[in-house]
Amino acid sequence: AQSVTQLGSHVSVSEGALVLLRCNYSSSVPPYLFWYVQYPNQGLQLLLKYTSAATLVKGINGFEAEFKKSETSFHLTKPSAHMSDAAEYFCAVRYGGATNKLIFGTGTLLAVQP
Amino acid sequence: DAGVIQSPRHEVTEMGQEVTLRCKPISGHDYLFWYRQTMMRGLELLIYFNNNVPIDDSGMPEDRFSAKMPNASFSTLKIQPSEPRDSAVYFCASRFTGSNTEAFFGQGTRLTVV
Repeated sequence: AQSVTQLGSHVSVSEGALVLLRCNYSSSVPPYLFWYVQYPNQGLQLLLKYTSAATLVKGINGFEAEFKKSETSFHLTKPSAHMSDAAEYFCAVRYGGATNKLIFGTGTLLAVQP
Repeated sequence: DAGVIQSPRHEVTEMGQEVTLRCKPISGHDYLFWYRQTMMRGLELLIYFNNNVPIDDSGMPEDRFSAKMPNASFSTLKIQPSEPRDSAVYFCASRFTGSNTEAFFGQGTRLTVV
């Protein structure tokens, strides 16, 4: 079954430290890949998306993600965490063909310690 | 554009009552999605429409749930009768046709069934 896996439901980092949130998809055919962020009591906001134009994708708020076909991964990183980055992050995939379903991972709650 | 608009933002109802959630997608978007978010199950796709036609409703939990899209600018999700286990945040999202276009989410409706 087509799916997306986020390792680590909770990640805690210190302010200024590297943020790494993991995402793996299950498909031999690269899907369309997205990262969304959700702040408390709000909807989901797009951080970045993989367009196949480049394997390293830059998004908003200093986040970026690297598509690695050999590892079926699309991990999200940020060199230096800020307190305002505390939120829940969702990796999502949409597989091509007849389906247009956007399937979400279970989410990773990022805490940033002062 | 004002984005995807959902109403109400909060709904508290008694078990057995009918609940109707509303969504106005972004103008020009031809896909509309209804998601449910709970702590236990994360983000679940309930149903999606393309050009006002329901395409996949396999995520609708049971017959108590129904969704309609009478025109390109309006959709409803109805629960009748409601049960406490339906308590969740319900999101509507829309997107434009395209291979890697992202979905835009509304702010959600927090439903509490007591």
